[in-house]
Amino acid sequence: DIQMTQSPSSVSASVGDRVTITCRASQDISNWLAWYQQKPGKAPKLLIYVASSLQSGVPSRFSGSGSGTDFTLTISSLQPEDFATYFCQQANTFPLTFGPGTKVDIK
Amino acid sequence: EVQLVESGGGLVQPGGSLRLSCAASGFTFSNYWMTWVRQTPGQGLEWVANIKQDGSEQDYVESVKGRFTISRDNAKNSLYLQMNSLRADDTAVYYCARALLIRGYYMDVWGKGSTVTVSS
Repeated sequence: DIQMTQSPSSVSASVGDRVTITCRASQDISNWLAWYQQKPGKAPKLLIYVASSLQSGVPSRFSGSGSGTDFTLTISSLQPEDFATYFCQQANTFPLTFGPGTKVDIK
Repeated sequence: EVQLVESGGGLVQPGGSLRLSCAASGFTFSNYWMTWVRQTPGQGLEWVANIKQDGSEQDYVESVKGRFTISRDNAKNSLYLQMNSLRADDTAVYYCARALLIRGYYMDVWGKGSTVTVSS
């Protein structure tokens, strides 16, 4: 199975900050990667797929990059509604696997 | 509005069975692969199973093979997960999700989840 890791596990930030989250795959997954946002008690929400494609309706302050084994999710200017946990998911091989999550909370 | 609504969760004893349902609306259900994903308390997300549009193909995570069965009824716009021989480590919130197949397998629409607790 492909193992996914994320760093940091948590980050404290302020509104307006630029936040960067990293995801690493245990083997080359090309650009077959997604990012999800999850708020407490809610289902995950797809933000980005194919590493850098923004899902419809997702604000442009979210962006993704990377290929191979190393990927990044960037929030250019953190908004109050962005405080949540973010997961990456490899979409290359079954079983699909997720990263452990990065919690973004208020500084 | 595109929507998925799960039902059927609850408390069950180890070794017991439970059937989850997922009602789809707002899109042509029969056009999509569908997926079950679970999230254990304090843990991350785990893909459980998926099923092709016509039900002819299914795949499962190793830990549930032989115990869980995914199925669908396109006439009823419904997805199911039959869970047998349940164990404590199956305790989780189970999400139904629609697949987005563009250079990989993604989940673009999710239900709110159904909680399954396996305990004596």
